[in-house]
Amino acid sequence: QSALTQPASVSGSPGQSITISCTGTSSDVGGYNSVSWYQQHPGKVPKLMIYEVNKRPSGVSNRFSGSKSGNTASLTISGLQAEDEADYYCCSYAGYSSVIFGGGTRLTVL
Amino acid sequence: QVQLVQSGTEVKQPGTSVKVSCKGSGYTFSDYNIQWVRQAPGQRLEWMGYINAGNGNRKYSQKFQDRVTISRDPSASTAYLDLGSLTSEDTAMYYCAREPTNRVFLDNWGQGTLVAVSS
Repeated sequence: QSALTQPASVSGSPGQSITISCTGTSSDVGGYNSVSWYQQHPGKVPKLMIYEVNKRPSGVSNRFSGSKSGNTASLTISGLQAEDEADYYCCSYAGYSSVIFGGGTRLTVL
Repeated sequence: QVQLVQSGTEVKQPGTSVKVSCKGSGYTFSDYNIQWVRQAPGQRLEWMGYINAGNGNRKYSQKFQDRVTISRDPSASTAYLDLGSLTSEDTAMYYCAREPTNRVFLDNWGQGTLVAVSS
């Protein structure tokens, strides 16, 4: 499998909530609780937003939350703000010490 | 504070190789893994491989395993990515990132190294 499946784009208005899905298989997303999410603004370095499915690093807003059901993980952003506009990537452990990223989702705040 | 500082931009000819360095500071280098991830212009993040900075164990993506070597020098708190047989498709930003051992997430990233492959 070359990449986890994410929607190419999602959008929402300020104050709304959006959810980005990340679909894999039982060999990656479904098989391990090792899904992480990264935010990347244009021209910037990726930033860890969620790790181990639903944990938030210190300093990340509690508007960001993660979950998983079967082979699909999800990132939810509540109370959308203009600064949330960015690309978001999911990432999962895929066994045998390997890692796989998603195709990325462009979030537009309308 | 934790920092990963990478070497500078590289311009390479097709068929040659490139070596990118990643120096860690602000933490115990040998207590973490270093992952390497690349991103071609306008494209997604792509995993290349990792090294355990303590014991040197490493794993490469199948896509790159024939032409990539990841190494480290614990005494210099530095990891290296060596990629050979370069083509134009290897033009990308190359990132190193820190990962806690026995866990799978990248909590600190280097600033990126641009590798441009052109004749």
